[in-house]
Amino acid sequence: QVQLQESGPGLVKPSGTLSLTCAVSGDSISGSEWWSWIRQPPGKGLEWIGEIGEVHSVGSNYNPSLKSRVTISMDKSKNQFSLEVISVTAADTAVYYCVKNFGAYLGFWGQGTLVIVSS
Amino acid sequence: EIVLTQLPGTLSLSPGERATLSCRASQSINNNYLAWYQQKPGQAPRLLIYDASSRATGIPDRFSGSGSGTEFTLTISTLEPEDFAAYYCQHYGSSPLRTFGQGTKLEIK
Repeated sequence: QVQLQESGPGLVKPSGTLSLTCAVSGDSISGSEWWSWIRQPPGKGLEWIGEIGEVHSVGSNYNPSLKSRVTISMDKSKNQFSLEVISVTAADTAVYYCVKNFGAYLGFWGQGTLVIVSS
Repeated sequence: EIVLTQLPGTLSLSPGERATLSCRASQSINNNYLAWYQQKPGQAPRLLIYDASSRATGIPDRFSGSGSGTEFTLTISTLEPEDFAAYYCQHYGSSPLRTFGQGTKLEIK
């Protein structure tokens, strides 16, 4: 059974960079499925940030609302993938989830990690 | 962008009752690329239904999904105490690739 574990700083200063890593066990990130990041502001709904995967080469897709500030990358040697969000504001405060896709859907979720943007 | 509207925002029912949750799309959804997720407080969401009506692995058969085009429904036939949670629908296909409804909170009456 695949397991995903998010890690990274829980507090980021405004205008700084949010960086999170998702360690994957029980599966290879180089397989056929892609891998997503989702976020959820406290008390609010879910927002898909983007995804990464490998078909013949590594590719990624992003939510247009965040695309200019977001980069998702993968480290196959460590079997993990990462999220970077630049120029953060309080609106980026959220629980961030890493997820293994299930085709068009979001099949297996990490437990999530809360990131607060505050000085 | 396809906008998903979930109704009602909050649904108050008792254990043993039937729950019907609605997800309406602003445009027709191709290939029934519509999923439902359950989220309990402090937990990550869990995939319940995909392709509008297929149950994910391990999901009890009291959960069922139906619908097509712009109207989709999640039905819980007989509510168990553990079913009281938030439910989200999700669409795949347009830009952005994945969008969610704003959620329905199912609470104990």
